[in-house]
Amino acid sequence: EAGVAQSPRYKIIEKRQSVAFWCNPISGHATLYWYQQILGQGPKLLIQFQNNGVVDDSQLPKDRFSAERLKGVDSTLKIQPAKLEDSAVYLCASSLAVGQTNEKLFFGSGTQLSVL
Amino acid sequence: LAKTTQPISMDSYEGQEVNITCSHNNIATNDYITWYQQFPSQGPRFIIQGYKTKVTNEVASLFIPADRKSSTLSLPRVSLSDTAVYYCLVGGPNTGFQKLVFGTGTRLLVSP
Repeated sequence: EAGVAQSPRYKIIEKRQSVAFWCNPISGHATLYWYQQILGQGPKLLIQFQNNGVVDDSQLPKDRFSAERLKGVDSTLKIQPAKLEDSAVYLCASSLAVGQTNEKLFFGSGTQLSVL
Repeated sequence: LAKTTQPISMDSYEGQEVNITCSHNNIATNDYITWYQQFPSQGPRFIIQGYKTKVTNEVASLFIPADRKSSTLSLPRVSLSDTAVYYCLVGGPNTGFQKLVFGTGTRLLVSP
């Protein structure tokens, strides 16, 4: 079974530039998550999609971050403009569905972003 | 949302059994306890999930006492490759699996 695919693997940009990350979830997984993981901390949920609709984006800094999941499959996360504190690993995860008693998240390897 | 507390770090040697305990005093009735493992430069990986008593799979065992206010992840006979960060999460269908909060986790270091 193919896992969650993310690209690029690494990205280095200067502050105030824009950057986009791409995620392809496991086939058939209705739910897709974007997490931000700062060095030394656990992943923090940014946004969750159920098919192509947003379930939770309460922790997404909407003044600079945006995400979409067109057609309920692939997703992109964009930062515009980037700040130094955005340096982190951006993880994408998917799961079969929300609300199941045995909900299990499958994570990609992430995109490591460095903002200089 | 139930908050979890775990030790920041643990050390062990190859071949030993490692037990990592997680406290979740305000766990809700319908919450499940889930453990993830994360290696450097990788995303977290699901290890095990349980609701009560004991759950065992090919990787680990999860022990949950009757009051469910804590849980213990048991890794039998660890090897160097078990060096990783282990996260304990609590959540369920009613409190929102999607809002599962990853704490700072427990950094396990296995030495030869």
